Amino acid sequence: AQRVTQPEKLLSVFKGAPVELKCNYSYSGSPELFWYVQYSRQRLQLLLRHISRESIKGFTADLNKGETSFHLKKPFAQEEDSAMYYCALGNTGFQKLVFGTGTRLLVSP
Amino acid sequence: KAGVTQTPRYLIKTRGQQVTLSCSPISGHRSVSWYQQTPGQGLQFLFEYFSETQRNKGNFPGRFSGRQFSNSRSEMNVSTLELGDSALYLCASSAGDNMDGYTFGSGTRLTVV
Repeated sequence: AQRVTQPEKLLSVFKGAPVELKCNYSYSGSPELFWYVQYSRQRLQLLLRHISRESIKGFTADLNKGETSFHLKKPFAQEEDSAMYYCALGNTGFQKLVFGTGTRLLVSP
Repeated sequence: KAGVTQTPRYLIKTRGQQVTLSCSPISGHRSVSWYQQTPGQGLQFLFEYFSETQRNKGNFPGRFSGRQFSNSRSEMNVSTLELGDSALYLCASSAGDNMDGYTFGSGTRLTVV
């Protein structure tokens, strides 16, 4: 069965501190992993997709198949990073995502 | 170009009624997926349509149904509404061949009283 686990409901950091939002997945096939972000009163937006290996807004994520993890990292958090972050698992050829429960990131000045 | 458009934005319905939600995908996108978002269960996949055919379905009761029209617009219907159906319903569209350009709409917030 496909499953995504985000162990932290809330992560609170100060501006300029490093951030790591954890994501672990369970999937027997070849996974496609995504990070989505939802800012207050805005729609769900794609932040990162593991196959693109891009860095968006300073965030990066590396797929670790051995640890079945896809943690989201940023070296220096900004107040505008405060939002809800969802890790999601997709499988090639199927237009379906399995989401984690989300982590609320709060960056304080 | 226009994004994914969902109508209406808000709905209040009474238990036992039925409701129809609409989703207009990005121009050129042929796949439309639907999700339910609740505080308790998070984001859960309902179903996906491509070229008017349902290709994938989540674990929801038969009261939840959908369809897609030839212009790729999609509707989802919930019959015999229950209080627990109160949620934000999101749709996402893509070209359909892979997850490229998978884009979400702003959602329809359904409240069942």
